[in-house]
Amino acid sequence: ETGVTQTPRHLVMGMTNKKSLKCEQHLGHNAMYWYKQSAKKPLELMFVYNFKEQTENNSVPSRFSPECPNSSHLFLHLHTLQPEDSALYLCASSQLVWRTIGVYEQFFGPGTRLTVL
Amino acid sequence: KQEVTQIPAALSVPEGENLVLNCSFTDSAIYNLQWFRQDPGKGLTSLLLIQSSQREQTSGRLNASLDKSSGRSTLYIAASQPGDSATYLCAVVNTGTASKLTFGTGTRLQVTL
Repeated sequence: ETGVTQTPRHLVMGMTNKKSLKCEQHLGHNAMYWYKQSAKKPLELMFVYNFKEQTENNSVPSRFSPECPNSSHLFLHLHTLQPEDSALYLCASSQLVWRTIGVYEQFFGPGTRLTVL
Repeated sequence: KQEVTQIPAALSVPEGENLVLNCSFTDSAIYNLQWFRQDPGKGLTSLLLIQSSQREQTSGRLNASLDKSSGRSTLYIAASQPGDSATYLCAVVNTGTASKLTFGTGTRLQVTL
């Protein structure tokens, strides 16, 4: 596998279900991101992890819970979602230098299309 | 708060035509600007990244320019092909935000035969 991979590619879940999205990057990067893309809205940053530490939470509801066990893997745990959470969830990674402001290119995975019934 | 706008929202051109996509941003204090393409239902593919100190970047038939002081960038596509049909997104990283991208809503391009 190369680049950034995401599984599953499609997910349908009920509002009471618990599911997880997985992202893996094979680029040797140390920063990972979750984005949400809803219809007719700009891509929104949800979370940022730098060197496995969460550095950004963009006012995301607690029903979304990220986890970054190492620099190559990122999860988004989902529980008691709402229909308006249906969207394309994109993961990205980039290189980052420790304790400096990064200007590095972000590379995206193919996304998980989530439908909440 | 940074806002990124892309005009037009949609564009249809015949094959072979040269075209320009526009991106404007309200806060000129940026580190870089990145252009992406997104095919329907797919992730983003990075096309070009322009650092704030640069004026333009080129890759094949694509040329992106940046005028930071006026808050504008353009993506020029030469000799368009049907395979160029996609949504094109621009995004900026503001200074002090550690690689946090702020995206525009995109321009949906269709190149017809």
